[in-house]
Formats: sequence, structure tokens, C-alpha cells
Amino acid sequence: KAGVTQTPRYLIKTRGQQVTLSCSPISGHRSVSWYQQTPGQGLQFLFEYFSETQRNKGNFPGRFSGRQFSNSRSEMNVSTLELGDSALYLCASSYGTVANEQFFGPGTRLTVL
Amino acid sequence: AQTVTQSQPEMSVQEAETVTLSCTYDTSENNYYLFWYKQPPSRQMILVIRQEAYKQQNATENRFSVNFQKAAKSFSLKISDSQLGDTAMYFCAFMKPTGTASKLTFGTGTRLQVTL
Repeated sequence: KAGVTQTPRYLIKTRGQQVTLSCSPISGHRSVSWYQQTPGQGLQFLFEYFSETQRNKGNFPGRFSGRQFSNSRSEMNVSTLELGDSALYLCASSYGTVANEQFFGPGTRLTVL
Repeated sequence: AQTVTQSQPEMSVQEAETVTLSCTYDTSENNYYLFWYKQPPSRQMILVIRQEAYKQQNATENRFSVNFQKAAKSFSLKISDSQLGDTAMYFCAFMKPTGTASKLTFGTGTRLQVTL
């Protein structure tokens, strides 16, 4: 099976712009979770989507949003980018039942200038 | 809210030796899951081992084993016969089985360097 893929792998944006990141889960997985990884804050949960519905949400401002499509692919959007949004954004997919193993993608490295 | 603490930012071990990474957590839940994830340099995060809180037996996966002390809320990872490929960031993570949600709460990580 192909692993979790994320596109793009690297992205450079300027403050105030918006960005969309994409995550394709492993075939058959219905859950996609997003995490932000920074040196200062570590790994923080953004949100999880299951069967096109947001099922769990972390403590991030409304500028961070996401969605999931019928094929389980997910996108994450950040509007009005701030310097502090520079991070590695990881997505993880799983079957979505309790404590299923989550498989992580390689991440998208976002740099905000 | 749950918190996960890894008190060792960096550790070093010689090849073939044994090393133990520490993790403590705080929760009021009785049933939950604990994980150790490995993030090699510039590579994807992968699951090393998991433990269900209701299981008293410590989980093992080849050279990796845990010491799960539920009362002490401690979950350490032991790596035996360390190999150069074990060099990575190691994250301890907590998950509570809230419905079927999959939120992981991570610790700050321990950077492990395996040397010759």
C-alpha cells in the first residue's frame, strides 16, 4: 500500500497570504488528523476529519480550517498567515476506530516571511 | 486536559548498549492508550510501540519494550542493543478513547543519538 502523501513538501509564503495543504491518506483509511510541529510548541493537534466530518478540534484560531472529501483526501487551509505559522504540518491517517495506529505523512514545511 | 512530559531533551547511547527514555503523563482517565513514536531526521514519524492502560503486561516489540507504571503515571521506553538507525527524536503520546476520535497529545520529545 502506498503511504500517506502530503503536497506540497515545501512552501514559502508571506504574511497575510493564505495557504492550502493537501493530504492523501492510505487507501481504506477514513480518518485524517492534522498536527503542527514547531521547535517552541512541539507537536500540537489541529483537527481530525472522519467521513467528511470534523470530529475533533484542537485549540487553534479560526484561521486554521480543513475539510475532507469523499475519497478521504483532506485539505488544510490557513488564512491571513502570520510569522508564527511557520512550522512542519503533519497529517496522519487511520481507519478511525478507537486508538487505531496513525500513519504519518512526511509533512509540509511552511515558511512564512 | 491531559499533559505528557518528557524530561530528557537529549540522550546519547553507544551502539549495542541499552537506553531508557522517560515519559510521565497526567490524566484523570482510567482507560487510555500510550504510544512511543520515532521521528528520524528528515523522515516520517513511525509508531514504535503502544500500550493499553487496562493491560498490566508491558508491551514489547523486538528490541523495544516499555515499563508502564499506571499508578505512577509513568511510561518509559527501553531500547536494547541500540543501533545507529535508532538515532531519532522519540515522542511519547497519549490518547483517550473519546468515542472514536484519534487525538494524540505528544510530549516535547527526546533526541536520541546512537554513537559508535
